[in-house]
Amino acid sequence: EAGVAQSPRYKIIEKRQSVAFWCNPISGHATLYWYQQILGQGPKLLIQFQNNGVVDDSQLPKDRFSAERLKGVDSTLKIQPAKLEDSAVYLCASSLGATTSGRYNEQFFGPGTRLTVL
Amino acid sequence: QKEVEQDPGPLSVPEGAIVSLNCTYSNSAFQYFMWYRQYSRKGPELLMYTYSSGNKEDGRFTAQVDKSSKYISLFIRDSQPSDSATYLCAMRYNYGQNFVFGPGTRLSVLP
Repeated sequence: EAGVAQSPRYKIIEKRQSVAFWCNPISGHATLYWYQQILGQGPKLLIQFQNNGVVDDSQLPKDRFSAERLKGVDSTLKIQPAKLEDSAVYLCASSLGATTSGRYNEQFFGPGTRLTVL
Repeated sequence: QKEVEQDPGPLSVPEGAIVSLNCTYSNSAFQYFMWYRQYSRKGPELLMYTYSSGNKEDGRFTAQVDKSSKYISLFIRDSQPSDSATYLCAMRYNYGQNFVFGPGTRLSVLP
């Protein structure tokens, strides 16, 4: 079974530039998550999709971050404009169903995109 | 005070040692607990998932939850160099919440 795919693996940009990350979840997984993991910290949930609808985006800085999941499969996360503090690894994860549902559905993580903002 | 805390390490042990990794948390409402392993430049992978207090064993791994002390542990028996990774704990209140992750402890098992 193929895992969660993410691209690019690494990205270096200057502050105030824009950047986009792409995620392809495991086939058949309805739920998709984007996390931000700053060096030395645990992952922080940015946004959760159930199919192509947003379930939770309470920690997404909406003035600069946006995400979409067209057709309920692939997803893109965009930052515009980037700030120095956005330097982090952006992890995408997917699960069969929502971890907020009545039974636990394991999240499978991709390898992440390491973003450096100069 | 952060919701979930872990000693960042690094923790270095010789091969074959028993490793104890710990998390403390502040919110007594947490009921569901997980341990993830994250290798360098990889995403986290689930190791253990437990509910409420008690022990759970899976091969060389044992997870313990002590809700009265707001303290969870992961024990690794007969540690191997391949266990060298960062170990993240995660927890949530109930089904309606997503998990909150700790900052992780970096473990190095020396051959």
